Amino acid sequence: DTEVTQTPKHLVMGMTNKKSLKCEQHMGHRAMYWYKQKAKKPPELMFVYSYEKLSINESVPSRFSPECPNSSLLNLHLHALQPEDSALYLCASSSSGGPRGATQYFGPGTRLTVL
Amino acid sequence: GENVEQHPSTLSVQEGDSAVIKCTYSDSASNYFPWYKQELGKGPQLIIDIRSNVGEKKDQRIAVTLNKTAKHFSLHITETQPEDSAVYFCAASPRYVVTGGGNKLTFGTGTQLKVEL
Repeated sequence: DTEVTQTPKHLVMGMTNKKSLKCEQHMGHRAMYWYKQKAKKPPELMFVYSYEKLSINESVPSRFSPECPNSSLLNLHLHALQPEDSALYLCASSSSGGPRGATQYFGPGTRLTVL
Repeated sequence: GENVEQHPSTLSVQEGDSAVIKCTYSDSASNYFPWYKQELGKGPQLIIDIRSNVGEKKDQRIAVTLNKTAKHFSLHITETQPEDSAVYFCAASPRYVVTGGGNKLTFGTGTQLKVEL
């Protein structure tokens, strides 16, 4: 099973709200990723967690705060977002080593709208 | 850093015809090249990938070819069907970049494939 699940599917929030996006995988993967995707554009990497530690932060504004509470879960906490942050937020996971270590599997995404 | 170019940006074919999408990459350290299909409102789905020790890989109607010398790779879809209509992304990565595991994919700009009846 190569399933990554994300909740919620859709989220509408105001600029003063605090919300969280959740991602879960049960493939035993130890690398997990957050991407942002605008319409008609490729996914842009935001964060990479490896063995529950933040490994890559692609200079993402601090209004996005990732968290990896355990090896199966990845959260993205949102606070004081701007309308230009409206996008599809994708979670992905991959195994951390061996010949199949590079294959990333994506979830369905959370469609975020910031009013 | 890596730069991946993808062409064409849109491709329209008749059902049953073949479709070819081409990508070029810049970083000779890249050695892993996946292709993703993204349908409207869904996340990208891995359809095929190739590693740099292989020149070609096939999976039913889908094939990928890699030319390391020229730094380009291509996706070939034969006998196209309406359900092949989607956006296709190529990507490139060194196998391992992240300490402890994981990698960093650089995506192409995408190709909107439309298969017409």
